[in-house]
Amino acid sequence: AQSVAQPEDQVNVAEGNPLTVKCTYSVSGNPYLFWYVQYPNRGLQFLLKYITGDNLVKGSYGFEAEFNKSQTSFHLKKPSALVSDSALYFCAVEGFKTIFGAGTRLFVKA
Amino acid sequence: EAGVAQSPRYKIIEKRQSVAFWCNPISGHATLYWYQQILGQGPKLLIQFQNNGVVDDSQLPKDRFSAERLKGVDSTLKIQPAKLEDSAVYLCASSPRGAESSYEQYFGPGTRLTVT
Repeated sequence: AQSVAQPEDQVNVAEGNPLTVKCTYSVSGNPYLFWYVQYPNRGLQFLLKYITGDNLVKGSYGFEAEFNKSQTSFHLKKPSALVSDSALYFCAVEGFKTIFGAGTRLFVKA
Repeated sequence: EAGVAQSPRYKIIEKRQSVAFWCNPISGHATLYWYQQILGQGPKLLIQFQNNGVVDDSQLPKDRFSAERLKGVDSTLKIQPAKLEDSAVYLCASSPRGAESSYEQYFGPGTRLTVT
């Protein structure tokens, strides 16, 4: 069965520090992997995706994610966090159907 | 380019009443999704359409939920009768998914349903 796990409910980081939001998945075959962000009172927005090719993918707002097939992970990263990055982040996998993780709340402190 | 439109934005009903939500996807997007997002959880896929055909509805509670996309464009999701546990945000998304298309989904603002 397909599944997505985001092991951290919340991640706290100081502005200017690097951030990582973790995601692991379980799906048969080659997955399509996504990160979405949900700002307060706004809809879900696409950040980046991995379909095939280079394991490091770059997306919007300076975010990137690293696909690791052996560890079945797709962690979201940013070299230098901004206060405005504070939001709810969802990892999603699309195999037979789309499954979202439970979400990780990122809090960036000034 | 206009985004995904949903209406209404908010709805409050009593249990056992019926309710309907409407979604108009981005023009030209063949795939349409309905999700249920309960507070504190990630979106859960209810149904996926490819044009006007159903691709997946395995998580749709078919005894009370129904959805249609008759002309392969806009879609409606209905709940009849509603239960307290149906209180959630209902999200509609569309995607240009196809053989040569990207796969990300574009989400509407959602409809917040409260069942009392």
